[in-house]
Amino acid sequence: GENVEQHPSTLSVQEGDSAVIKCTYSDSASNYFPWYKQELGKGPQLIIDIRSNVGEKKDQRIAVTLNKTAKHFSLHITETQPEDSAVYFCAAGDNTDKLIFGTGTRLQVFP
Amino acid sequence: DTEVTQTPKHLVMGMTNKKSLKCEQHMGHRAMYWYKQKAKKPPELMFVYSYEKLSINESVPSRFSPECPNSSLLNLHLHALQPEDSALYLCASSQEPLNTEAFFGQGTRLTVV
Repeated sequence: GENVEQHPSTLSVQEGDSAVIKCTYSDSASNYFPWYKQELGKGPQLIIDIRSNVGEKKDQRIAVTLNKTAKHFSLHITETQPEDSAVYFCAAGDNTDKLIFGTGTRLQVFP
Repeated sequence: DTEVTQTPKHLVMGMTNKKSLKCEQHMGHRAMYWYKQKAKKPPELMFVYSYEKLSINESVPSRFSPECPNSSLLNLHLHALQPEDSALYLCASSQEPLNTEAFFGQGTRLTVV
């Protein structure tokens, strides 16, 4: 079955700096890669997603890149703000309607 | 309306109790999901309903029983749970099955005593 590894587990940055979170997946059949942000006491919120026919996608300060050959995908957050502090999960899905989540990254942005 | 509503927000139940978790969405989504999330861990898929039919059961113990009364509602019936079942139970929905954008509810924080 699919296995998704996520690094780092914790990430601390200064406000205004960039943050990068990386994931690798094992199943070459995976074709959908969403990123979720989970704040304390809340459910995960989709922030961006990418499909396997696209190499990069950007939405304001957030971008995701996908390298299908290497089975890597990454989340890039630029100009970080304190409200970006949360746990971020990557996930991988194929055509079986199952999403496998990474282990999560706790991002702290210090003012 | 892009909301998935879960009730109750918190639930404490004894090991001999029977309780139900409820989930509702009015986005016309045709796939609905139950996930279990332990502290500091990622969500783990439990069940998937696709067009009101159970399509995936991730080998969940029978003390968890899902039900989809209609396309907007999803229930999770709980009976004879164990303390290790204490967790955040998340409901999600997506417009179609097969990996389209999934919206999560706030979850029900369940404590089994």
